[in-house]
Amino acid sequence: AQSVAQPEDQVNVAEGNPLTVKCTYSVSGNPYLFWYVQYPNRGLQFLLKYITGDNLVKGSYGFEAEFNKSQTSFHLKKPSALVSDSALYFCAVRDMGAGGTSYGKLTFGQGTILTVHP
Amino acid sequence: SAVISQKPSRDICQRGTSLTIQCQVDSQVTMMFWYRQQPGQSLTLIATANQGSEATYESGFVIDKFPISRPNLTFSTLTVSNMSPEDSSIYLCSGETGAGYGYTFGSGTRLTVV
Repeated sequence: AQSVAQPEDQVNVAEGNPLTVKCTYSVSGNPYLFWYVQYPNRGLQFLLKYITGDNLVKGSYGFEAEFNKSQTSFHLKKPSALVSDSALYFCAVRDMGAGGTSYGKLTFGQGTILTVHP
Repeated sequence: SAVISQKPSRDICQRGTSLTIQCQVDSQVTMMFWYRQQPGQSLTLIATANQGSEATYESGFVIDKFPISRPNLTFSTLTVSNMSPEDSSIYLCSGETGAGYGYTFGSGTRLTVV
């Protein structure tokens, strides 16, 4: 079974400081990893994904994430946080080794509320 | 990437009634999914909508309560039947585009049952 853990319910940073939102995963096959952001009363917006290749993935709005296979982690980062980055962030994994009724499913972490203070 | 139009965006319903939520994708998607989300919490998968056949439900969700249709590769509906206040939640649909394994989400339906 696939699973995702976001160990921090909340992350607070000052504007202009770097931010990190942590994510670890567990899959039986190769992982496809995703980060999504959700603003209040909105759907999920795609930030970035890792499928294969370079372990450092660059995405939307200046965000990036580093895939670390040995630590089974995919932490989201941004060098300089903005107040407008304040939102709910979700990490998700698709287990490419999953078949049958598990094929294609995304499993989400519990979410991390990011608050960027002016 | 694909864009999903989901409606209604919100509704307030009486207990015992049913609500049908629609999702229209602007391009064909290989797979479609329906999720439930309590505000500020994670997404729980309800079912995978299969084109032309019965949906595949996750543990704890049944077809009689959440009937799903997917008549083609761009459209799906979820019905929340015989609603109770416990069904108050946000319901989201998602499509998997196949190319690059991207997943797009609708903007969600905020359901309140009174």
